[in-house]
Amino acid sequence: DVKVTQSSRYLVKRTGEKVFLECVQDMDHENMFWYRQDPGLGLRLIYFSYDVKMKEKGDIPEGYSVSREKKERFSLILESASTNQTSMYLCASSFYPSRGGELFFGEGSRLTVL
Amino acid sequence: QQQVKQSPQSLIVQKGGISIINCAYENTAFDYFPWYQQFPGKGPALLIAIRPDVSEKKEGRFTISFNKSAKQFSLHIMDSQPGDSATYFCAARSGFNKFYFGSGTKLNVKP
Repeated sequence: DVKVTQSSRYLVKRTGEKVFLECVQDMDHENMFWYRQDPGLGLRLIYFSYDVKMKEKGDIPEGYSVSREKKERFSLILESASTNQTSMYLCASSFYPSRGGELFFGEGSRLTVL
Repeated sequence: QQQVKQSPQSLIVQKGGISIINCAYENTAFDYFPWYQQFPGKGPALLIAIRPDVSEKKEGRFTISFNKSAKQFSLHIMDSQPGDSATYFCAARSGFNKFYFGSGTKLNVKP
């Protein structure tokens, strides 16, 4: 089975702190994604990466950056956390191109910024 | 601006009934339309998907109906069961890499 593992399920941070969310996949997928999930807004794409060291902005990249130094690992960085970044963050991976329209998701990291 | 519009936001159905969730899109470049199911505390998981050159796809109790001219597609869950209670997201794929998701429908199937 494909496994996408997000390092932290729950985090509580203070405004202005730097936050790292890490994601590892074990299926040798080319694509990796970070989504943000908010009630009533669905899943919104923050960044994605189709190869090591390659990244592209999604629909809501402001306030976020990413890093992909190894194929299996994709990190989301909040340089200076703000309260409006309190959310559920979902990492996903897929083949390139995605087969059958399938993304494989992790279980999510719920971030609260105080 | 949301690329994929989903309705309703929530849905209550009696056990054995039919659940219907609708989605609409504008971008004719979308080339794949998956539906995802998400249980509480879990990430979304692919349920069923359809290409735009197909009008209907059925897998067990789940059916996608696709209307290319209207730019609409819908998920039908026949004989809905309490175990189907989850949040459902429609999505559309652009350029092999980018997926746009609807806002989600929380389905509650009452026993």
